[in-house]
Amino acid sequence: QKEVEQNSGPLSVPEGAIASLNCTYSDRGSQSFFWYRQYSGKSPELIMFIYSNGDKEDGRFTAQLNKASQYVSLLIRDSQPSDSATYLCAGGDSNDYKLSFGAGTTVTVRA
Amino acid sequence: KAGVTQTPRYLIKTRGQQVTLSCSPISGHRSVSWYQQTPGQGLQFLFEYFSETQRNKGNFPGRFSGRQFSNSRSEMNVSTLELGDSALYLCASSMAGNQPQHFGDGTRLSIL
Repeated sequence: QKEVEQNSGPLSVPEGAIASLNCTYSDRGSQSFFWYRQYSGKSPELIMFIYSNGDKEDGRFTAQLNKASQYVSLLIRDSQPSDSATYLCAGGDSNDYKLSFGAGTTVTVRA
Repeated sequence: KAGVTQTPRYLIKTRGQQVTLSCSPISGHRSVSWYQQTPGQGLQFLFEYFSETQRNKGNFPGRFSGRQFSNSRSEMNVSTLELGDSALYLCASSMAGNQPQHFGDGTRLSIL
């Protein structure tokens, strides 16, 4: 069983809409969660991190964490064509010093 | 502030050879992690180093090894290269432990 699972997509949204990405994790020891954006041919770029239950907002991005249900989500508001990329969810456990990544969700924003 | 620097950016090797990849972390970051990314397997954790100590290792054969120097720079080595080792190798650094990791541009390794 994979430790981190993402809705596989691909996800296509019109420009200006909200893109919703979901991620579940199996390791209850995971304490920190990260969202990375990866453009084709590039390396992952950190866009959000969240450690506590609830919502965390940064510009057009909102990360949500629910530890009881073991899921993390990312909302992209007012989606722009430049948001078209693969989004990777990752979870970390402070006891084993590694991040486990989901397979990624490819998002396409249609102009 | 300079980001994570990986060298070389591209490498072409043949089966049976060995390769060494280098990573210089962001200044002040003491944790360095290595990942392998392939289309089929996604991002897979290789190992993590902190203060010259390997604290965790992923599920990879012993042909994959690494080390970290006192200035936090890290190298990874792959011996007896196989075709399946063709991948993008990514290095990420962080302040410590579960702090956010920042990735370098990666080294794309192709095995002929």
